Amino acid sequence: EDQVTQSPEALRLQEGESSSLNCSYTVSGLRGLFWYRQDPGKGPEFLFTLYSAGEEKEKERLKATLTKKESFLHITAPKPEDSATYLCAVQARMIKAAGNKLTFGGGTRVLVKP
Amino acid sequence: KAGVTQTPRYLIKTRGQQVTLSCSPISGHRSVSWYQQTPGQGLQFLFEYFSETQRNKGNFPGRFSGRQFSNSRSEMNVSTLELGDSALYLCASSAPREGPYNEQFFGPGTRLTVL
Repeated sequence: EDQVTQSPEALRLQEGESSSLNCSYTVSGLRGLFWYRQDPGKGPEFLFTLYSAGEEKEKERLKATLTKKESFLHITAPKPEDSATYLCAVQARMIKAAGNKLTFGGGTRVLVKP
Repeated sequence: KAGVTQTPRYLIKTRGQQVTLSCSPISGHRSVSWYQQTPGQGLQFLFEYFSETQRNKGNFPGRFSGRQFSNSRSEMNVSTLELGDSALYLCASSAPREGPYNEQFFGPGTRLTVL
């Protein structure tokens, strides 16, 4: 069974204080690892997809990296508008059928104080 | 390009009733997935529809069902509502291509409260 564990559960940062979020996963063949941002009362917003170990992607102050067992989301010099819940999800390779099932971790709530 | 839309945005029902939620995917997207989000269980996969056929199903009871129409719009139905069904129900759409183009884009969700 695919499993995704995110840590820490919550993170309080001062504006400008860089940090990293962790996403550990167990999956029977990784098809893709996805990072989403979710604001309260809204649907998740797509950030990145990573497909193979060693891959990195950047968007503004966010950088996602992937190894064979985990992914990191680095937040560089965060601003208050980066406050949100960050969700990690994996998609497994399916032998018998195609499909888009995502298995999500519990998320990391990030609060950036000015 | 319009995003994923879900209706209604908020719904209040009582135990035992049934409910139907609607999702319109991004234009051109043929895959629609449904997820349930609760504080205790997080985001959990319900089912996925592609070309009007259920392609994958999560571990939810048979009270949860869905369908997809020829224009890719999808509905999900929950019968005999229970208090534990209170949640944010999210719909996500994705393009039909395989490979590095299968990102899922989520709608704003329908907040269901069961009293």
